[in-house]
Amino acid sequence: DAKTTQPNSMESNEEEPVHLPCNHSTISGTDYIHWYRQLPSQGPEYVIHGLTSNVNNRMASLAIAEDRKSSTLILHRATLRDAAVYYCIPGLNAGGTSYGKLTFGQGTILTVHP
Amino acid sequence: DGGITQSPKYLFRKEGQNVTLSCEQNLNHDAMYWYRQDPGQGLRLIYYSQIVNDFQKGDIAEGYSVSREKKESFPLTVTSAQKNPTAFYLCASSRGHQNTEAFFGQGTRLTVV
Repeated sequence: DAKTTQPNSMESNEEEPVHLPCNHSTISGTDYIHWYRQLPSQGPEYVIHGLTSNVNNRMASLAIAEDRKSSTLILHRATLRDAAVYYCIPGLNAGGTSYGKLTFGQGTILTVHP
Repeated sequence: DGGITQSPKYLFRKEGQNVTLSCEQNLNHDAMYWYRQDPGQGLRLIYYSQIVNDFQKGDIAEGYSVSREKKESFPLTVTSAQKNPTAFYLCASSRGHQNTEAFFGQGTRLTVV
């Protein structure tokens, strides 16, 4: 599994954009990059995933570096409900059958101030 | 609504007793997983199952057992052999193909006294 490095914590103000970085320099060429988030006392929730191109969905955007050694999750307008632990998870080889085995690191604790 | 259900939400047991945590999904997913989470830590994989009647050990399977007799159910038994069973247990499911979204239950918080 690729090792990831994420900041332990980040803070943002409500309504402002948030950029959550992740370094995954040992990622294999065919591994996807997944992001999940976990609200307090709840199970993790899927946010977004991508392989090489930048991706957008209703929750967030994912910017992937050209060399794929890092990525950034972008929340365009943070709300109080976005306060959570955000996990960056490389894996689930596009050519393999790893059946959703996700390896969670420590993640980044995002605090959103009113 | 489709989803994954864990019960109970809170569970208390005496040391030395086995306890079984329930996980049910109605998403028609082939794959199911059990994770353990300790305070301030990420999730660690206990067991996973890719198909009915088949399952594999994850990273921390010692002291745990599972069964997968039905597609929609994947119960986890925490045995007395598990040295530190107090934790937050999370069940998840996915379609089973590569690169699919995993859906998590709300978790069971087990406290052993």
